[in-house]
Amino acid sequence: GIQVEQSPPDLILQEGANSTLRCNFSDSVNNLQWFHQNPWGQLINLFYIPSGTKQNGRLSATTVATERYSLLYISSSQTTDSGVYFCAVPGGNYQLIWGAGTKLIIKP
Amino acid sequence: KAGVTQTPRYLIKTRGQQVTLSCSPISGHRSVSWYQQTPGQGLQFLFEYFSETQRNKGNFPGRFSGRQFSNSRSEMNVSTLELGDSALYLCASSSGTSDHNEQFFGPGTRLTVL
Repeated sequence: GIQVEQSPPDLILQEGANSTLRCNFSDSVNNLQWFHQNPWGQLINLFYIPSGTKQNGRLSATTVATERYSLLYISSSQTTDSGVYFCAVPGGNYQLIWGAGTKLIIKP
Repeated sequence: KAGVTQTPRYLIKTRGQQVTLSCSPISGHRSVSWYQQTPGQGLQFLFEYFSETQRNKGNFPGRFSGRQFSNSRSEMNVSTLELGDSALYLCASSSGTSDHNEQFFGPGTRLTVL
């Protein structure tokens, strides 16, 4: 089945810094979602991005479907950006296949 | 539009007991999926329901079961609880019309088995 890999596994930054998170997937996909999991466990939808580039405030994402990767950019990081960032792709039969996540810590 | 709701938010049970978790999807969504999240295994798919029918089931023992009602609300049940069942259980809501619909998650139910 399809495999999803995220990098880096951990990232520690100072407030105000920029960051790039990567998601590689092993097969072609019709969809890719980025989520932010806050410290209370809630998964927050960031982007639904099968291809191309989308922006939402300080966050943007780019998926290059032909090369099987997606990037999540966070600019001017804030402490509230801390948490775990997941990417997920459809694995067939209505299930999502998840990466292991990138744990982001933003220090004040 | 109200989001996905899950009840209860926290549960503490002892080994051997059973537990029922509930999920109400976004209004108009007919698909509900369940995932288990543990520190060691990450997010693992449990099952997906659409219009009261289970369309897919993950690789979990038969102690894990679920159902969906005519109003699209879903419940999952875990019988004969084991210590390893301690996890965050997340449900996701989508329209369910295709395999790649956007999914929206509830706040989760955190289950602790003692």
